[in-house]
Amino acid sequence: AQSVTQLDSHVSVSEGTPVLLRCNYSSSYSPSLFWYVQHPNKGLQLLLKYTSAATLVKGINGFEAEFKKSETSFHLTKPSAHMSDAAEYFCVVSKNYGGSQGNLIFGKGTKLSVKP
Amino acid sequence: DGGITQSPKYLFRKEGQNVTLSCEQNLNHDAMYWYRQDPGQGLRLIYYSQIVNDFQKGDIAEGYSVSREKKESFPLTVTSAQKNPTAFYLCASSQRDVGQTQYFGPGTRLLVL
Repeated sequence: AQSVTQLDSHVSVSEGTPVLLRCNYSSSYSPSLFWYVQHPNKGLQLLLKYTSAATLVKGINGFEAEFKKSETSFHLTKPSAHMSDAAEYFCVVSKNYGGSQGNLIFGKGTKLSVKP
Repeated sequence: DGGITQSPKYLFRKEGQNVTLSCEQNLNHDAMYWYRQDPGQGLRLIYYSQIVNDFQKGDIAEGYSVSREKKESFPLTVTSAQKNPTAFYLCASSQRDVGQTQYFGPGTRLLVL
């Protein structure tokens, strides 16, 4: 079975400092992995997606994530936080078997706070 | 302007009432999904449909019903059997293939009077 664990429910950083949001996954198959961002009372927006083409994936707004198979991790990073990055971030793995291909399994989310 | 629309933005339900949440997409996607979001729990799948006139239960389908009569529409009904309906409901769509990205609507917040 596939699963995803976000290691921190809340991360707080100062503006201009690096961001690290941690995610570990479990999958019997080669996974498709995603990071989504959600601002308050809004829908989810795709930040980036891993599909085995390259282990370092660049996304929108300066975010990137590195797929590490040996560590079963897919951590999200950004070199310098901006106030507008304050939001909730979801690490997601796609189901790749049976009749439910395309269904997603969501982590519980990490709330990112950015202090001035 | 392509995308997914959900209406209404806020919906109030009275005791014993059924309410229907609308979801429409013009992305020409075959698959559509409904999720429920509660604080600290991430998103949980209610129902999904991979093709018109066919849909399957997700992880928390009890108290909900759906229909898929048109490719672009996937309405969700919250029935009176759903005893704790207060949540944020998100609709998404994607192509059917494995690993496809899901695109989300802006959500509907359902509150109980």
